[in-house]
Amino acid sequence: GAGVSQSPRYKVAKRGQDVALRCDPISGHVSLFWYQQALGQGPEFLTYFQNEAQLDKSGLPSDRFFAERPEGSVSTLKIQRTQQEDSAVYLCASSFGTGAQETQYFGPGTRLLVL
Amino acid sequence: AQSVTQPDIHITVSEGASLELRCNYSYGATPYLFWYVQSPGQGLQLLLKYFSGDTLVQGIKGFEAEFKRSQSSFNLRKPSVHWSDAAEYFCAVATSGTYKYIFGTGTRLKVLA
Repeated sequence: GAGVSQSPRYKVAKRGQDVALRCDPISGHVSLFWYQQALGQGPEFLTYFQNEAQLDKSGLPSDRFFAERPEGSVSTLKIQRTQQEDSAVYLCASSFGTGAQETQYFGPGTRLLVL
Repeated sequence: AQSVTQPDIHITVSEGASLELRCNYSYGATPYLFWYVQSPGQGLQLLLKYFSGDTLVQGIKGFEAEFKRSQSSFNLRKPSVHWSDAAEYFCAVATSGTYKYIFGTGTRLKVLA
């Protein structure tokens, strides 16, 4: 079956531009996660959705970052007024249920470069 | 706070040689432990996971990992490495009652022909 997909795969933005990153989770998956992976680092948690509810946004680095999942399926991560330090790979993951024992399935990521 | 340490940033092995990638975690209770592999341009793929029970866990692609509570370790092993195993490997930890994974910084594996 189809896995988690993300678009665009690559995004170049000028500093100050707004960007929107899309995630299509596996159909029927309740949980959706966003992670940020800086160069040479492991993924770091940004935010978590259970269906359409954003239960945790503790990892969002600033108020320029905003995520939504309005219908409990597709999610969008928006970054306003991008800065060079926002350059990273943004990974989306989904899982069937909730809880730490659920396997998270990852998408290929969106590589964002802010010039 | 939970943390995961992967002490080896890069490892190079010859094809056919055995492999062990180290992972140490910091957490009081028994965590949920995972190993993922990330190939260039690909998403993270789960190799194996440990929740409880038998401390030796078998995964896909011939990988296994052993949970050692006394050493707070969850090292990944493979008896004979193939060239296609060249990738970056991430150890991750989660805890009961939470949902977020804490990842290590990864180990990049190079395989020599």
